[in-house]
Order: sequence, then C-alpha cells, then structure tokens
Amino acid sequence: QQQVKQSPQSLIVQKGGISIINCAYENTAFDYFPWYQQFPGKGPALLIAIRPDVSEKKEGRFTISFNKSAKQFSLHIMDSQPGDSATYFCAALLKTGTYKYIFGTGTRLKVLA
Amino acid sequence: DAGVTQSPTHLIKTRGQQVTLRCSPKSGHDTVSWYQQALGQGPQFIFQYYEEEERQRGNFPDRFSGHQFPNYSSELNVNALLLGDSALYLCASSLRWGLVEQYFGPGTRLTVT
Repeated sequence: QQQVKQSPQSLIVQKGGISIINCAYENTAFDYFPWYQQFPGKGPALLIAIRPDVSEKKEGRFTISFNKSAKQFSLHIMDSQPGDSATYFCAALLKTGTYKYIFGTGTRLKVLA
Repeated sequence: DAGVTQSPTHLIKTRGQQVTLRCSPKSGHDTVSWYQQALGQGPQFIFQYYEEEERQRGNFPDRFSGHQFPNYSSELNVNALLLGDSALYLCASSLRWGLVEQYFGPGTRLTVT
C-alpha cells in the first residue's frame, strides 16, 4: 500500500530523443509527487513535482504527466542530452497527519551522444 | 546560500561499533529528515526531526536514533553496526514543518566491515 513502483529499471536513449519513466502507486493518501535526479556520488536533486489536482506540469525539457484515476505518473525528458544521464527517482508524499516520502527504486538513464 | 551539508563524506566502521553522522540544513530550514540509500535502491525514510523532536519514523530498529539541535542541525546515530547498515545516508531539509519541498545533502557513505 505504501509502495511506489517505478519502471523501467534502466533506459538508453539517443541524444535528442524522449526519455519516459513511469511510476505507479496504490495509496490514495499520497498527496505530492516529486521527481529527483541523482548523479553518482551526489544526493538526489529535486527536478520537478506535481500535485494530484493537476494532470500535467512542464518545466523546460521536463514534463510530469499525472493520471489520478489510474494512479500513475510519468516523467518525460524531451530532447534528451548526454548530461541528463543519471538515476531518476519518483517519490510520493504520504500525508496522513504527518509527512513521509516513499521513493521508487530508480531508473538509470543513459543518453548516447 | 549554502545548501544541505553533511559530514563526514565517507566513513568505515567495524561490525558492532557505533557511528554518528551530522547534517546542517539549508539556511532557514527547520525540518530535517534522514534516509538510508542502499546501493541501487531508492532512499528509505529513517526519521524526521522538527523543533528538536522526532516527529515520525520509518521501519528502522531502535539502533537508529537521532537528535536535532537548537540551530536545526541534526545527528544520526547508529549503534551495534551490522554489515547491512552499509549505505549512503542522506539528510534532507525543508523550509518548515508541513512544507513539502525537501532538499538533499550529498550524503555520507558508510561502509561496515
């Protein structure tokens, strides 16, 4: 119930292509859905986030699509660049009186030059 | 404006020993959360501190304890170290309790031999 399932585990995309990472959840108490980007040896960096009352949010080349009825959300990286090669984590905020983040297992993205 | 800082960067300990990790939150942030990230996995929530009190806790044994100081900095203590405690320990801070955006530090890599 508190899991966030992320896929694929790894992804290889050509430069200029679109990278798509998907996440699914079960608990309707999740209230906020951020995506984090993590480079080797670094902590996760907040990339973009969405609330469940919005179906899409775009920031530059990064877009979150959110399907509340299907309990799914995805990250789209347009015009993928080699510098985007990193591990991406989706997360969901469990808001039931207190605040607790549940993270997906991560997607290792490699963008080929 | 300094982001979240953590010390030390790396640490090697022996089974059964005790370890203390330190975190300074982003300037102006008063809420600190700790996460454990095993290799190839997403961060797992350990606990969260606000107003010098532990506000909530993840599924971690009592060997994991923490503290928050009046200047909002925090410590994570792990007693009776096990090999399985080897991981990247991440600290994240939020502007104030209840605000959802959190920012991660670079982490402390703990190796237990």
